[in-house]
Amino acid sequence: KAGVTQTPRYLIKTRGQQVTLSCSPISGHRSVSWYQQTPGQGLQFLFEYFSETQRNKGNFPGRFSGRQFSNSRSEMNVSTLELGDSALYLCASSPTALYYETPSNGYTFGSGTRLTVV
Amino acid sequence: QKEVEQNSGPLSVPEGAIASLNCTYSDRGSQSFFWYRQYSGKSPELIMFIYSNGDKEDGRFTAQLNKASQYVSLLIRDSQPSDSATYLCAGSGGSYIPTFGRGTSLIVHP
Repeated sequence: KAGVTQTPRYLIKTRGQQVTLSCSPISGHRSVSWYQQTPGQGLQFLFEYFSETQRNKGNFPGRFSGRQFSNSRSEMNVSTLELGDSALYLCASSPTALYYETPSNGYTFGSGTRLTVV
Repeated sequence: QKEVEQNSGPLSVPEGAIASLNCTYSDRGSQSFFWYRQYSGKSPELIMFIYSNGDKEDGRFTAQLNKASQYVSLLIRDSQPSDSATYLCAGSGGSYIPTFGRGTSLIVHP
């Protein structure tokens, strides 16, 4: 059974540019959540998508956005990149929507995309 | 603000010893708790899930939950060098969105 696939693994971007990250969840999983991980802040929740709809959103500026497609694949976009956006971006999939319940098997995380903004 | 607090460590234990990792949370509405292990440069991997007060054992791992005192702990028995990693505690409440602590670094030395 394939795991959660994130592409690309590494990205280097310049301040002011925009970036799009991709996540393919485990087959059959319909919930995709995105997290930002930095040494100083740890894992911070960005948003969750279920059935192509954003169900939950964390405390991030509007420069961070996402979407989900009918096959449950999700993309995350960051516009007008800032140096502080440098982080590991993790995608996590779950079989059920988080607003129904916290699944007992938790999240399955992808390997992440390491974004460096210079 | 709902927070999950962990001592960043590092916690250093000798091989074969019991490693004890602790976590406290501020949201009394939190119902479910997770422990994830994250090796350097890798993604978090679920180790344990607990939602009832008391102990839950799985192999060398035991999770403990005390809702009255708002703490969760993870015990690793017979620690091995391969257990060296960062351990993340997460709790979720009414919103069901897990809130993660910043993690505790564990070093198991031979």
